[in-house]
Formats: sequence, C-alpha cells, structure tokens
Amino acid sequence: DVKVTQSSRYLVKRTGEKVFLECVQDMDHENMFWYRQDPGLGLRLIYFSYDVKMKEKGDIPEGYSVSREKKERFSLILESASTNQTSMYLCATEPGQGTDTQYFGPGTRLTVL
Amino acid sequence: GENVEQHPSTLSVQEGDSAVIKCTYSDSASNYFPWYKQELGKGPQLIIDIRSNVGEKKDQRIAVTLNKTAKHFSLHITETQPEDSAVYFCASHTGGFKTIFGAGTRLFVKA
Repeated sequence: DVKVTQSSRYLVKRTGEKVFLECVQDMDHENMFWYRQDPGLGLRLIYFSYDVKMKEKGDIPEGYSVSREKKERFSLILESASTNQTSMYLCATEPGQGTDTQYFGPGTRLTVL
Repeated sequence: GENVEQHPSTLSVQEGDSAVIKCTYSDSASNYFPWYKQELGKGPQLIIDIRSNVGEKKDQRIAVTLNKTAKHFSLHITETQPEDSAVYFCASHTGGFKTIFGAGTRLFVKA
C-alpha cells in the first residue's frame, strides 16, 4: 500500500512565524502535490513537483514556497504565516507516467493565531 | 479557467436508499474522472474512476456514469450504509499534472 505521511496532524502558530509542513512518501512516486482544503472550496492546488528540485505553481501559490531535495520528501513553507492561511493542508502523490490517481496523506490542520 | 461544479453540497439519505452526486466539468479535453471519499480525520481516498472512452463503470454498490457531450459525470451509491457517511469529491484531469476538484458533497446516511 502507498503510504503518505505528514509531519503533524495539528499545528498552532502565530502570525509572522515561519512554518514548515513536511510530506514523505514511500512508493517512489514521481509527482507530489500540496493542496489546501477549505469548506465549500474543495481542494485547491498550492504547488506541485514532478521531479527532484523541480516545482511548479498551482492555483494559489501566494504566501507559500516548496522544496523537494529528495524524491520522497516534499515540504511546504509558509515564510510568514498569516491568519488567512489557517486551513487543512493535504499532501498527495501520483505515480506519474500516465497514471493519474492521487494518494493523499492524512492532512495537517494549521491554525494561525 | 477550468472548473468542476459539484452538487449537492450536502446529502442526507436513509440507510438502504440510493445516493447520487453530480458533477459538471468545463474543459472538454478532460479525460480522467476520479471520485474520492474523505472520512473524518483522514485524507481523501480514491473509490472509483472512469476514463473518457467509457460511459459507465461499476464496482459493487458504487457506479459512475459519464456523459462527455454534456460534460457531466455522476456517482451512484446503492443500498447505502452508515459507513458510507463521508465527504465525496469528484475531479477531472486533462493529462499533464493538474487535477481539478469539485467543492465536495457531505453525505449523511441515517440508520
């Protein structure tokens, strides 16, 4: 079974703090994604990566950056957290090579005070 | 831009009844339509999918239908059970790296 783990289930940070969310997968998938999930808005893509050190902006990249130094790890960084970044953050992986099914981690619920 | 509209946002059914969730997509190049189920405290998980060269697919109590002309696809759950209670997301994929998700449907199955 594909396993996607996220470093924290719940996180509380203060406005202006730098926040790191980590995602690790164990199935050698090519593609990795970061989404945020908000009620009534579904899943919105923040950033994705199709290879080590490669990254592409999604629909809502403002205020976020990402890092993929190793194939199995994809990090989401909030340089200076703001209250409007309070949300559920979901990491997903995709095998690549024409296989489009995504596999999600359990999510990190981030609260910015 | 591309979008996927999903209805209803909330659905409540009696155990044993059927549930239907409908989605409409905008990009005619979409060729892959997965459905994900998200249980409380978990990430979404694929439950069924359909590709654009197929009109219907069934897996036990779950079926998906696709109407490419109308750009509609639907999820049908028969003989609903309490464990079907969850949030369901439809999505469309056009190839490349981008999957567009609907806003989600919260399904309640009353025992």
